[in-house]
Amino acid sequence: EPEVTQTPSHQVTQMGQEVILRCVPISNHLYFYWYRQILGQKVEFLVSFYNNEISEKSEIFDDQFSVERPDGSNFTLKIRSTKLEDSAMYFCASSPRTSGNNEQFFGPGTRLTVL
Amino acid sequence: EDKVVQSPLSLVVHEGDTVTLNCSYEVTNFRSLLWYKQEKKAPTFLFMLTSSGIEKKSGRLSSILDKKELFSILNITATQTGDSAIYLCAVGGGANSKLTFGKGITLSVRP
Repeated sequence: EPEVTQTPSHQVTQMGQEVILRCVPISNHLYFYWYRQILGQKVEFLVSFYNNEISEKSEIFDDQFSVERPDGSNFTLKIRSTKLEDSAMYFCASSPRTSGNNEQFFGPGTRLTVL
Repeated sequence: EDKVVQSPLSLVVHEGDTVTLNCSYEVTNFRSLLWYKQEKKAPTFLFMLTSSGIEKKSGRLSSILDKKELFSILNITATQTGDSAIYLCAVGGGANSKLTFGKGITLSVRP
């Protein structure tokens, strides 16, 4: 069964460094999302992406964040200058293009630890 | 602001028990309500509900939506230790839009 994959599974970085989190969505899906979950808290929406542009973003997704679909398969989240509070599990999700469908499939996540 | 409230926050039962997990919501332009199971890492999809009063069923799990009262329940019958997980409720406020999640319900099933 097709699934969303994410790399790396765990990333440790120093505060102020740039990180890129990678995702390969399910191949025939057209909507892509990033969420994060700080330890012990709820899953929070960051950004959605469709047709090579951001369709929606939350107030968490400030100028330090960017997303890109550099080729036909990868979807990346970049954090330019990481802060301690960016430490969280980052989930990528994708959704098929079915009218009105909110069904989103999640990858296994990347645990980001900022020291 | 969209809001999802789940209850109870945690639950401990014994194998064989039946549990009911609750989710209430307030969302602009409601489109669908989804239930996910989260074990170690990624939320895995269980159900998506869009129509009121129609039960979705998969094995021992079932779920129903009440769009008038703005809530959903997830039932698990004959619970097993493998059902131990966090159960997440999320709502979508428009076609292919973001999901807003509740805090989740931690279910522990004891042998």
